[in-house]
Amino acid sequence: NAGVTQTPKFQVLKTGQSMTLQCAQDMNHEYMSWYRQDPGMGLRLIHYSVGAGITDQGEVPNGYNVSRSTTEDFPLRLLSAAPSQTSVYFCASSSDGQERNTEAFFGQGTRLTVV
Amino acid sequence: DAKTTQPTSMDCAEGRAANLPCNHSTISGNEYVYWYRQIHSQGPQYIIHGLKNNETNEMASLIITEDRKSSTLILPHATLRDTAVYYCIASTTWGYQKVTFGTGTKLQVIP
Repeated sequence: NAGVTQTPKFQVLKTGQSMTLQCAQDMNHEYMSWYRQDPGMGLRLIHYSVGAGITDQGEVPNGYNVSRSTTEDFPLRLLSAAPSQTSVYFCASSSDGQERNTEAFFGQGTRLTVV
Repeated sequence: DAKTTQPTSMDCAEGRAANLPCNHSTISGNEYVYWYRQIHSQGPQYIIHGLKNNETNEMASLIITEDRKSSTLILPHATLRDTAVYYCIASTTWGYQKVTFGTGTKLQVIP
């Protein structure tokens, strides 16, 4: 049971390049979400999903796309990277289950630098 | 989600209890209080959550006031490994709500 796995751990992009941050969980969780954390700040929600085929925007969605074709995977796509997207990105998952107030599990983060 | 307010930073001597306060005066009746911590720049780690009653687990205790407008996270015997940023969050269910984190409390455990 690996929990939430994010790849890559580090990435440097040039302005205008595109890339996909991968997130996978092996806990059969319905809910997955992406956050970004800028230096000295808390985590801000980018996009989230309540199940396969269902996604919605969070607090800071601009410049990012997501899709959820399987329960396990929730990739985050940067279409045209900008320096303002330099940040640490965290993926999280959680379960509804019988008790609807359960904890979220976070990945270890992807550190992205856009130059 | 209800807004939460936490002190920016706190110090605690190693071996002593660390008491981290959180105000959530606009919390609604169906919102739980969650606590997470983030060590260095790792992913946040769940600590504990509660609705009305005080809760205890192997990591910490959570004390919620009777009017539910504030709570305190207690680390009974703080160690250097407890140095982290602690986040207090009020939310109904994690998956349903657009959960956001504030800036939390930076706890420094001092030898």
